[in-house]
Amino acid sequence: AQKITQTQPGMFVQEKEAVTLDCTYDTSDPSYGLFWYKQPSSGEMIFLIYQGSYDQQNATEGRYSLNFQKARKSANLVISASQLGDSAMYFCAMREGPSTDKLIFGTGTRLQVFP
Amino acid sequence: DSGVTQTPKHLITATGQRVTLRCSPRSGDLSVYWYQQSLDQGLQFLIQYYNGEERAKGNILERFSAQQFPDLHSELNLSSLELGDSALYFCASSPGRGNTEAFFGQGTRLTVV
Repeated sequence: AQKITQTQPGMFVQEKEAVTLDCTYDTSDPSYGLFWYKQPSSGEMIFLIYQGSYDQQNATEGRYSLNFQKARKSANLVISASQLGDSAMYFCAMREGPSTDKLIFGTGTRLQVFP
Repeated sequence: DSGVTQTPKHLITATGQRVTLRCSPRSGDLSVYWYQQSLDQGLQFLIQYYNGEERAKGNILERFSAQQFPDLHSELNLSSLELGDSALYFCASSPGRGNTEAFFGQGTRLTVV
């Protein structure tokens, strides 16, 4: 069965520093997609970045990049130049196969950015 | 703004009651998904509709049901509510199969008292 693991319940980073949030996944499906979402204290889920299993290059969106290591089944989120507004919960998710597109979520990592 | 609209934002109701949560997907999106986020269970997939038809079912209780209408908006019906149903309910939408994006609404926070 597909599974997403986020082993860091909480992370601290100083403003303007880079931080890596870990995510490993398990699937036997050769076609899958990996997503990262941010959930601030207000509760909404904000889509950050997507990586497809066949994508040759790591995805990047502004200050967010996804360090995709297929052989290790990891999809870590890297946030560069952290800002105070980056303080939030971050969820890694995997799309199950091409037929349903439902997302399976990890348990999340709470990131706190301090001045 | 994700473009996915959920109403209401907050709902407080008593045990045993029935409520309906509403979701309007982003323009052009055919798939609608419902998720439940609770403290003890995390984010759980409930059900997916694609262009009016049920596509996938997850951990959805028999007391819960959903549908997607011809205009593609969706409703999640929760009945015989229990205290444990208190959670944040999200709707998400995406274009269709093999999605590279899925956008969430702001959620409906349900409190059962």
